[in-house]
Amino acid sequence: DADVTQTPRNRITKTGKRIMLECSQTKGHDRMYWYRQDPGLGLRLIYYSFDVKDINKGEISDGYSVSRQAQAKFSLSLESAIPNQTALYFCATSGQGTYGYTFGSGTRLTVV
Amino acid sequence: QKEVEQDPGPLSVPEGAIVSLNCTYSNSAFQYFMWYRQYSRKGPELLMYTYSSGNKEDGRFTAQVDKSSKYISLFIRDSQPSDSATYLCAMTPNAGGTSYGKLTFGQGTILTVHP
Repeated sequence: DADVTQTPRNRITKTGKRIMLECSQTKGHDRMYWYRQDPGLGLRLIYYSFDVKDINKGEISDGYSVSRQAQAKFSLSLESAIPNQTALYFCATSGQGTYGYTFGSGTRLTVV
Repeated sequence: QKEVEQDPGPLSVPEGAIVSLNCTYSNSAFQYFMWYRQYSRKGPELLMYTYSSGNKEDGRFTAQVDKSSKYISLFIRDSQPSDSATYLCAMTPNAGGTSYGKLTFGQGTILTVHP
């Protein structure tokens, strides 16, 4: 099994729909992150969580929300999807005191 | 202006060439510098990790950091077709403070090594 698993891998949804992207990790790390990747813009941080009770906004959190259900699970929700949110979404985890992230394989989201 | 700037390329080189990938940054608080490699339809994976200024070598890969110029580089010697990927630089400040542990990424450079 992969260290970081994201579901679904691909999703097409309609404008205005609510959608949840899920992430689970088996690394035993406390820290988890959600990034989106757009061509020419690199990876941009949406939300991050340093432990189960800690949730923080990243640089582009508008239109998104998250839930940290357990140490191993961190979900990203789009409350009312818009075409501008079409992107590749990555979940990542890191251990305390380390700087290397382990990424999932990504979710390709298309909002039509 | 972005905190981290990276030329997106694309960069195309013949097999065996030396490849140079670069990033500049503006935040003098950055202390930890990383290079990630991302293959098509995959998540980024950590390739090299350096602290502060200096060089680090790992096989065909060498990472350099020049904090005085706010400039980092990744060199790939004897490049192979399997090196074809997107390379992303990333960096973070020292321990402590609200930015601790959060990485700021460059835009990524698309590299193709052709046989």
